[in-house]
Amino acid sequence: AQSVTQLGSHVSVSEGALVLLRCNYSSSVPPYLFWYVQYPNQGLQLLLKYTTGATLVKGINGFEAEFKKSETSFHLTKPSAHMSDAAEYFCAVSKAAGNKLTFGGGTRVLVKP
Amino acid sequence: NAGVMQNPRHLVRRRGQEARLRCSPMKGHSHVYWYRQLPEEGLKFMVYLQKENIIDESGMPKERFSAEFPKEGPSILRIQQVVRGDSAAYFCASWDRGHGDTEAFFGQGTRLTVV
Repeated sequence: AQSVTQLGSHVSVSEGALVLLRCNYSSSVPPYLFWYVQYPNQGLQLLLKYTTGATLVKGINGFEAEFKKSETSFHLTKPSAHMSDAAEYFCAVSKAAGNKLTFGGGTRVLVKP
Repeated sequence: NAGVMQNPRHLVRRRGQEARLRCSPMKGHSHVYWYRQLPEEGLKFMVYLQKENIIDESGMPKERFSAEFPKEGPSILRIQQVVRGDSAAYFCASWDRGHGDTEAFFGQGTRLTVV
C-alpha cells in the first residue's frame, strides 16, 4: 500500500522568505507524485507533478519540487513567499497515470507580513 | 470546455436524511473518483467508477454509502441516514485514458453539513 507523510501540519513563514514543505512517500512501484494547493472552501489545484524524466519539477506560482528516489522524498519549495501563498498544500502519490491518489495530511501555510 | 462540475456546493441535512451529491465529469471523461475530506484532514479515496461500473470501492464505508455513474448523466454519491460524522467536503475528479493526462481533474467539492 502507498502512503504519504507530510512533516508539519502548520508552517509559518515571513513574506519573502523561503517556503519548504516536506513530503515523504512509500510506494512499491515507481510513483507518480503531485503537489496540490487548496484555498479556503475551494477545490484542489495542481501545482506540479513528477511522472518520469527530470527529477526537478517546476510548477505554477514559482513553486518547484525535487524527486529524490533514495530519500523517497518530494519536497516542495518556493524561494520567496508571497501573501497569496497562504493556503493548504497536499502531497499525493499514485501508481500510474489516472490512478487513485493517496494524499498526505496536508500542511497549512501562514505567511506573515 | 467546462471543468468538473459538482453540485450542490453546499448541502445541509438533518440527521437521518439522505444526501445526494452530483458530479459531472469533464467532457469526454469516462472515469470518476470520489474523495472525502474530513475537517482538518487530507483527502481520502472512496470509490472509482467508469461508466456503468464500479471499479474500486475499497474506500467506501460498508453501510449507508453508495455511488453510481450511469451511461447518461452525472455520477451520484448517495449517503443514506446521514450522521454528524458524515459532515465533510466531498470531491470528485475525472479522467480519461485517451487524453494523455497523467492525473484526474478535481471539482470544487460539495460541503456537507449534518445538523
